[in-house]
Amino acid sequence: SQTIHQWPATLVQPVGSPLSLECTVEGTSNPNLYWYRQAAGRGLQLLFYSVGIGQISSEVPQNLSASRPQDRQFILSSKKLLLSDSGFYLCAWRAMGRVEDEQYFGPGTRLTVT
Amino acid sequence: GDSVTQMEGPVTLSEEAFLTINCTYTATGYPSLFWYVQYPGEGLQLLLKATKADDKGSNKGFEATYRKETTSFHLEKGSVQVSDSAVYFCALINSGGSNYKLTFGKGTLLTVNP
Repeated sequence: SQTIHQWPATLVQPVGSPLSLECTVEGTSNPNLYWYRQAAGRGLQLLFYSVGIGQISSEVPQNLSASRPQDRQFILSSKKLLLSDSGFYLCAWRAMGRVEDEQYFGPGTRLTVT
Repeated sequence: GDSVTQMEGPVTLSEEAFLTINCTYTATGYPSLFWYVQYPGEGLQLLLKATKADDKGSNKGFEATYRKETTSFHLEKGSVQVSDSAVYFCALINSGGSNYKLTFGKGTLLTVNP
């Protein structure tokens, strides 16, 4: 079966510090991968998605970046965090298959920028 | 572009009450429709889905019917439990997109009191 991991689970970082969040998927090949941010405990904002190694699409301009160095690894980074980067970050994967296939979400990373 | 509109709530019910969370969508073509649930501090889980008009998705006592004529996918449950307290997201995937991104509603917070 497929599983998705995210780490760390929680993170407290000062303003201006760098960031690296990691997401890995097991049990599937060539998935679509997604990074979302959820602020204020509710709405989801799609940040990045990837359809293959090295292929990253950005949905919203910001000081975050994403990379996909391996087929099942997706990394979210920042060189200098802002207070507004605080939130709950969710990684998701989806099979490259039928349009009706759902997305599967990881457990999330709670980031607090102080 | 595609969009999903759902009642934002919060919705507060007593145990065993009837639940309806409204969801309407705008999309070209024939999207697949989903309801996701997010329990406190966790990632999103797929609750149910429907892939074509008049399909009914069901799971854990929850139901939703794909109504193309009214572009709706309302979530219902006949008797809610305290354990149903969570945020519920309506979402769609449109086959017209090259990467099959989900479009989410803003989420509805449900609180069920004993």
